[in-house]
Amino acid sequence: NAGVTQTPKFQVLKTGQSMTLQCAQDMNHEYMSWYRQDPGMGLRLIHYSVGAGITDQGEVPNGYNVSRSTTEDFPLRLLSAAPSQTSVYFCASSPLGHPDTEAFFGQGTRLTVV
Amino acid sequence: AQTVTQSQPEMSVQEAETVTLSCTYDTSENNYYLFWYKQPPSRQMILVIRQEAYKQQNATENRFSVNFQKAAKSFSLKISDSQLGDTAMYFCAFMKHGWKSSGDKLTFGTGTRLAVRP
Repeated sequence: NAGVTQTPKFQVLKTGQSMTLQCAQDMNHEYMSWYRQDPGMGLRLIHYSVGAGITDQGEVPNGYNVSRSTTEDFPLRLLSAAPSQTSVYFCASSPLGHPDTEAFFGQGTRLTVV
Repeated sequence: AQTVTQSQPEMSVQEAETVTLSCTYDTSENNYYLFWYKQPPSRQMILVIRQEAYKQQNATENRFSVNFQKAAKSFSLKISDSQLGDTAMYFCAFMKHGWKSSGDKLTFGTGTRLAVRP
């Protein structure tokens, strides 16, 4: 089972460049989310989606866009990268309405903005 | 809003010994879930153990157990017979019951870095 697949694993961007972090899951999970992990701050929610066509903002949404055209894919877009967006990004998925199950995380993307 | 506090940024334990990681949380909810996640150097987030707030019995998974004190809003993780492979960052996390349909989230603590010494 592939689970949750994130690409790329590492990326260096110049300030002002744009890019898309890809996230795909093959478990037919309705719920998908993006977190960023920064030293001393744990993981913070950026955006989430409860199903295809539905997205909403999390705790730190500024500078990021998302879309959910299919159940499987939930890409995260940085339109104009800033050094403050240097972080490790995690995508996660889980089935909706089943709180007794766990969230499945991707392997993370380490992004550096110079 | 929920908050999760891990007051121990770093801890160290001798192999085969026992260590306890602390976590406190603040919420007005009555039904919720608490988790401990392990993040080894590979960066993968691995669920270690889960506790449902309405269950009084403390959860146990092999060498990992929790001490859940609902009134005190405390959720500590005990690792027995520590192994070198337990070296990792450990995150405590809170989830409100029914959060997915209402669009809530996992709230994480800042993490405790555990080093197991040979």
